[in-house]
Amino acid sequence: GAVVSQHPSRVICKSGTSVKIECRSLDFQATTMFWYRQFPKKSLMLMATSNEGSKATYEQGVEKDKFLINHASLTLSTLTVTSAHPEDSSFYICSAREGTANEKLFFGSGTQLSVL
Amino acid sequence: GENVEQHPSTLSVQEGDSAVIKCTYSDSASNYFPWYKQELGKRPQLIIDIRSNVGEKKDQRIAVTLNKTAKHFSLHITETQPEDSAVYFCAAVNSGYALNFGKGTSLLVTP
Repeated sequence: GAVVSQHPSRVICKSGTSVKIECRSLDFQATTMFWYRQFPKKSLMLMATSNEGSKATYEQGVEKDKFLINHASLTLSTLTVTSAHPEDSSFYICSAREGTANEKLFFGSGTQLSVL
Repeated sequence: GENVEQHPSTLSVQEGDSAVIKCTYSDSASNYFPWYKQELGKRPQLIIDIRSNVGEKKDQRIAVTLNKTAKHFSLHITETQPEDSAVYFCAAVNSGYALNFGKGTSLLVTP
């Protein structure tokens, strides 16, 4: 199956700093990528839909200025958590859909963010 | 938007027994329903999926059924093994082709 690479797998940062997470589709072109957030023992909550070459679509309640998404190429989307605070600590995971009509989603390995 | 309900939240079975997890969805336009297995700290892994033009799909010990009229779909695991222990998520695709997930079922298979 298709491979989605996510980096870094774990990051610890100080409150007030920004953190960038990368999501790459390794063997396919992803016109659309999705960013999810998962708290311990909870479900995956969709944060935003990232479309190559256009602005991301954010879900209700997700601050677009807080979680900056860039999808500049067909193989790379980035999520930047700006001015991170302890409440932003979570497991962030991206997923990518190959092509435009195939619903199968492939997930990255996730990034565990801990803000001190 | 799509709302996916999943039950039960926890399920404990003995090795060899069957496990059933049920989900309902709200958007009648949803047409793709995958099931994911997630082990602690790992990415969700697709284990089986079903499209709305099919009522049942089976892959070895795993099967999924879909009742489109009632907007129900279920995961069935037969002959459970300890390595089946994990959190299972159902999902339904929304109009933007993103997946909306259920809240998950923590399955424990005891030897």
